[in-house]
Amino acid sequence: AQKITQTQPGMFVQEKEAVTLDCTYDTSDQSYGLFWYKQPSSGEMIFLIYQGSYDEQNATEGRYSLNFQKARKSANLVISASQLGDSAMYFCAMRERTSGTYKYIFGTGTRLKVLA
Amino acid sequence: GAVVSQHPSRVICKSGTSVKIECRSLDFQATTMFWYRQFPKQSLMLMATSNEGSKATYEQGVEKDKFLINHASLTLSTLTVTSAHPEDSSFYICSARGLEAGYQPQHFGDGTRLSIL
Repeated sequence: AQKITQTQPGMFVQEKEAVTLDCTYDTSDQSYGLFWYKQPSSGEMIFLIYQGSYDEQNATEGRYSLNFQKARKSANLVISASQLGDSAMYFCAMRERTSGTYKYIFGTGTRLKVLA
Repeated sequence: GAVVSQHPSRVICKSGTSVKIECRSLDFQATTMFWYRQFPKQSLMLMATSNEGSKATYEQGVEKDKFLINHASLTLSTLTVTSAHPEDSSFYICSARGLEAGYQPQHFGDGTRLSIL
């Protein structure tokens, strides 16, 4: 079963508009972490934002915010004031502890295209 | 911020060649490094978890003898693709996690694009 689900293979947004990228997760752990990464066409993975399962406040980092709804097991990424440089693949990931080690599971990604 | 260096960034070689990819944490000590494989337009698939001073833990379906991992120090892990064939062509990317407890993101290298002819 999918542990991280990103239901939007591709999204378009107009420059300067806000966009929400969806992510739902599945875990029975009480302690876990949720991450969003950006992967431009050059391939590197850029860390954007983190949300801990015990964090009561939604995480924010500049133009990025994470809409964390624990009961619904969702961790959507909101990008405000989109810029052309935001065009990239975006991956949601979950860190969980398995057999004494941390493991990171990635979703299938959402390709975001910002339109001028 | 933390930097992970991965080398080489691109390799093109003949079938049957063994290829070594290095992953270094430049400004922090990494007890754990992860090796991922990414096919075009797909997600990152974890291949193995590399722990300093011990054997790597491979994910199901990943051949240990095909993908040799060595994590000899707190700043270096290597992945060797032995006797590579065209089906091994892919984007390989490593990440590292520091020693400190608690919240830490993975820090990724820039990836290695491997093409086997």
